[in-house]
Amino acid sequence: ETGVTQTPRHLVMGMTNKKSLKCEQHLGHNAMYWYKQSAKKPLELMFVYNFKEQTENNSVPSRFSPECPNSSHLFLHLHTLQPEDSALYLCASSQDWGAGANVLTFGAGSRLTVL
Amino acid sequence: QQQVKQSPQSLIVQKGGISIINCAYENTAFDYFPWYQQFPGKGPALLIAIRPDVSEKKEGRFTISFNKSAKQFSLHIMDSQPGDSATYFCAASGNAGNMLTFGGGTRLMVKP
Repeated sequence: ETGVTQTPRHLVMGMTNKKSLKCEQHLGHNAMYWYKQSAKKPLELMFVYNFKEQTENNSVPSRFSPECPNSSHLFLHLHTLQPEDSALYLCASSQDWGAGANVLTFGAGSRLTVL
Repeated sequence: QQQVKQSPQSLIVQKGGISIINCAYENTAFDYFPWYQQFPGKGPALLIAIRPDVSEKKEGRFTISFNKSAKQFSLHIMDSQPGDSATYFCAASGNAGNMLTFGGGTRLMVKP
């Protein structure tokens, strides 16, 4: 493992379900990220947290709700998703926001299928 | 201004051949150019990176060539091996607070 652990690795949910993706990093990093990876947009930034504070929200629909309780944990809460939201969701971390934001360590991703 | 264009989208190379992936950028404030490698079922991982004060950086079989005037950089994989089969992403970033901007990715297949 890379030091960034994501669970679950695979998730199938209906459009009315509520589920959450979890990310944990063991690297002592201060910034954490959610990316969406799909065939149409290979690496699409969703959210950025630095020291638990959200610094970026890349116009993501409200059916995706991030939560960062501390610098080591990041969640992505999912509610009333659409089939087009099916994708690989990648969590990443970096030492810091700003100058340290250009070296990312990624987790293995959570493969989401929305039926 | 923030876009990084990567080509080709897919590449098939024979074992022992040279794989070449190209990227172009517009933002002259970019000053850090990494390449990430992603194997199936894994997240991307940093492979090699360059800053514009040098025109080339080599690590083993992997070389980045950088052309500042043309705003282009490329990844060369010498003696390509089947184990190099993966998706490769170029990226670029600038000064503090400037996020990594990723290219669209290249799926490389090295045939035995």
